[in-house]
Amino acid sequence: AQTVTQSQPEMSVQEAETVTLSCTYDTSESNYYLFWYKQPPSRQMILVIRQEAYKQQNATENRFSVNFQKAAKSFSLKISDSQLGDTAMYFCAFYQGGSNYKLTFGKGTLLTVNP
Amino acid sequence: NAGVTQTPKFRILKIGQSMTLQCTQDMNHNYMYWYRQDPGMGLKLIYYSVGAGITDKGEVPNGYNVSRSTTEDFPLRLELAAPSQTSVYFCASSLQGTATGLYGYTFGSGTRLTVV
Repeated sequence: AQTVTQSQPEMSVQEAETVTLSCTYDTSESNYYLFWYKQPPSRQMILVIRQEAYKQQNATENRFSVNFQKAAKSFSLKISDSQLGDTAMYFCAFYQGGSNYKLTFGKGTLLTVNP
Repeated sequence: NAGVTQTPKFRILKIGQSMTLQCTQDMNHNYMYWYRQDPGMGLKLIYYSVGAGITDKGEVPNGYNVSRSTTEDFPLRLELAAPSQTSVYFCASSLQGTATGLYGYTFGSGTRLTVV
């Protein structure tokens, strides 16, 4: 079974600085998808960024980018120019597809952006 | 589009009571899911469905039941509520197969359930 590990339960960063959240996963498959979801205090789950394993280029979405290291099974999220609105719980998630329909989530990292 | 709608948003149950958490999506997604979120534990899959009339257990199905009579609706039933079922419950939906990998889930806004 796939597992997703987020080793940082909590992190903090100063406004305008850069922060990196870590995620590792375990799979024997070569094709899969990885996601970062943001959950602000409103509780809503928001898709931040996704990565397809067969693509070598790291995904970017405005201030959010990933460092995808397939051989190391690592998928970290970098947030540049941190804003107060980035304060949230961040979840890394893995999707294999095929007959395995579900997303597997890590336990989350609570990020606090300080003014 | 409304997306995924969950009701209620909050509920307090007494031990032994039963209730149904409602979930409706208007995106014609084949796949639907129920997760529970506990502090420090991430999201755990309770049940999922790949289409009307087809459901299957996830990681933590005990104490819950589901049905899927239509594409749009996927209610979660709690029978004989216990304190261990105190949690935040999320319903989600997605397109099938590769599309789930490309677009991820669409989540409802969650239900905070407390069993006392």
